[in-house]
Amino acid sequence: AQKVTQAQTEISVVEKEDVTLDCVYETRDTTYYLFWYKQPPSGELVFLIRRNSFDEQNEISGRYSWNFQKSTSSFNFTITASQVVDSAVYFCALSEAGNAGNMLTFGGGTRLMVKP
Amino acid sequence: GAVVSQHPSRVICKSGTSVKIECRSLDFQATTMFWYRQFPKQSLMLMATSNEGSKATYEQGVEKDKFLINHASLTLSTLTVTSAHPEDSSFYICSARVMDGYNQPQHFGDGTRLSIL
Repeated sequence: AQKVTQAQTEISVVEKEDVTLDCVYETRDTTYYLFWYKQPPSGELVFLIRRNSFDEQNEISGRYSWNFQKSTSSFNFTITASQVVDSAVYFCALSEAGNAGNMLTFGGGTRLMVKP
Repeated sequence: GAVVSQHPSRVICKSGTSVKIECRSLDFQATTMFWYRQFPKQSLMLMATSNEGSKATYEQGVEKDKFLINHASLTLSTLTVTSAHPEDSSFYICSARVMDGYNQPQHFGDGTRLSIL
């Protein structure tokens, strides 16, 4: 069975600090997809990134970067120079069976609070 | 593109009322839609997978008769919470998968916040 663990339930940082959100996953499939979503207080889910199991290249998008390590089954997310607008709950998720459109298993989420 | 509209965004009603939530794919067709539930400060849990033209597949522990799902067309799935009680108060969010869009990620609606008094 698939499982996603986000060990950090809450993180509080001061603006401009860098912060890394951890995500560890379990799956028996060799082909799978990993995602990160942001959920602001308004509730909607904002898609941030999708990564397939065959692509271990790290990715950077502006202040966001992701580190995918199959050897440790981790897909960590770093925000550099955090801003107050980054305050939200962040979810890591996994879909199996080689299809990114399959059902998602979400981690418990990490609530990030960025203080001015 | 790939917009999913969920309606209503918020519902407050009395115990015993049945509540219908709509999930529409506005600019694409979706043979498969998913319904998730999120209790306060918790993660999203899949309730059921809705397939156009066939019965929904429910996750373990989700009551079929309590949460009726109808996926009557390629752009609309509805979730009806029948005879809702306070314990059904939650945030319900749907997502849709693009038809013939292999490996396309799901597109999420903005969610429905249901409060049962």
